[in-house]
Amino acid sequence: QAGLTQPPSVSKDLRQTATLTCTGNSNNVGNQGATWVQQHPGHPPKLLSYRNHSRPSGISERFSASRSGNTASLTITGLQPEDEADYYCSAWDSSLSGWVFGGGTKLTVL
Amino acid sequence: EVQLVESGGGLVQPGGSLRLSCAASGFTFSKSWMHWVRQTPGKGLVWISGIEHDGSPTVYADSVRGRFTVSRDNAQNTLYLQVDSLRAEDTAVYYCTTEEGADWGQGTRVTVSS
Repeated sequence: QAGLTQPPSVSKDLRQTATLTCTGNSNNVGNQGATWVQQHPGHPPKLLSYRNHSRPSGISERFSASRSGNTASLTITGLQPEDEADYYCSAWDSSLSGWVFGGGTKLTVL
Repeated sequence: EVQLVESGGGLVQPGGSLRLSCAASGFTFSKSWMHWVRQTPGKGLVWISGIEHDGSPTVYADSVRGRFTVSRDNAQNTLYLQVDSLRAEDTAVYYCTTEEGADWGQGTRVTVSS
């Protein structure tokens, strides 16, 4: 099953802003929107953003999601050490009738 | 508070079977799509199956279709995944999750090895 495309790694300095991207096609991201989860080593994923870009309760306003065409983005402002984690996007694919994930981006906070 | 608790994983030989379970609480399970997602050690998340709130339809990734079967018992608030004809490449942590990945369990580990 074809997945979504994410850069494998992004490095940014403490307190800076990181923008993570996720590219799909018109059957998934472009049509259904994307969700974002954060995963720290040894822990299950945690939802950061629904596909309508709203944040679940308890998620910091420093995390914001958006979409332009077939590309979804997650912007994290004021980077903190605890933001260092793996970030995955996902979307429902209407042509596959399945849920597709990106390969994940490892965010390093310097 | 939403809770998802997976169980049923373990060490199994190639060609073997397991039945994974996911006990759900804290939300209206009988009205929710549910999914299984797995993660190979050191690798990313891969969706493998989903099931509509009333048990139909069920959907599968190509890699598991015909070998894995998803089901649910809404009276018991439990999601299941019957995994048959296991292969080494099925070794992973298996998570159950709600629609859009809003909530995740801690996962259950499946190791396929002789």
